[in-house]
Amino acid sequence: DAGVIQSPRHEVTEMGQEVTLRCKPISGHNSLFWYRQTMMRGLELLIYFNNNVPIDDSGMPEDRFSAKMPNASFSTLKIQPSEPRDSAVYFCASCIAGGWSNQPQHFGDGTRLSIL
Amino acid sequence: QQPVQSPQAVILREGEDAVINCSSSKALYSVHWYRQKHGEAPVFLMILLKGGEQKGHDKISASFNEKKQQSSLYLTASQLSYSGTYFCGTGTAKEGTYKYIFGTGTRLKVLA
Repeated sequence: DAGVIQSPRHEVTEMGQEVTLRCKPISGHNSLFWYRQTMMRGLELLIYFNNNVPIDDSGMPEDRFSAKMPNASFSTLKIQPSEPRDSAVYFCASCIAGGWSNQPQHFGDGTRLSIL
Repeated sequence: QQPVQSPQAVILREGEDAVINCSSSKALYSVHWYRQKHGEAPVFLMILLKGGEQKGHDKISASFNEKKQQSSLYLTASQLSYSGTYFCGTGTAKEGTYKYIFGTGTRLKVLA
């Protein structure tokens, strides 16, 4: 079975540009998470969805960040405008719904984002 | 607020044992353990759901002390493949909503 699929794997862009990261969760998984990982702050949960509905977005750093999940098989994380401090590895993860706290999360390979 | 893991880093020889601790300032409902190798995604190891629960998989096991708000990961007779960064993921509650927070991480290196 295919795992969580993220695209692109790498993104390099200039400050001020719009960046869109994409994620396809594992089929049948109803919970989806977006994480950001940096050396300074570690792994941070940005937002999570349950059945396509955003449940908690308190980890989203500021209004420049937005996330959507239009259907069960696709989610996007958008940064507009991007800044150098947004440079990080962004992971998407999914798990079976019905109590994400007691289900393992399956991570995608991540998108390594560099903002120049 | 982020759970604190200790030690921050550890170096072992093959066959040696290690313990990694995860301590939270908040009551925990669940603890997950993940291992991340350099340049890769975190990989799930195990979940502990009840205070006092212990689990094991191969030579890696974990315990969950609900009262102390902490969990420990035990690596026995370590192998080269155990090298990586270990994270605990903790489920807590804030204002009626479950929160999921990863710990600070422990870098483990196993030498031949």
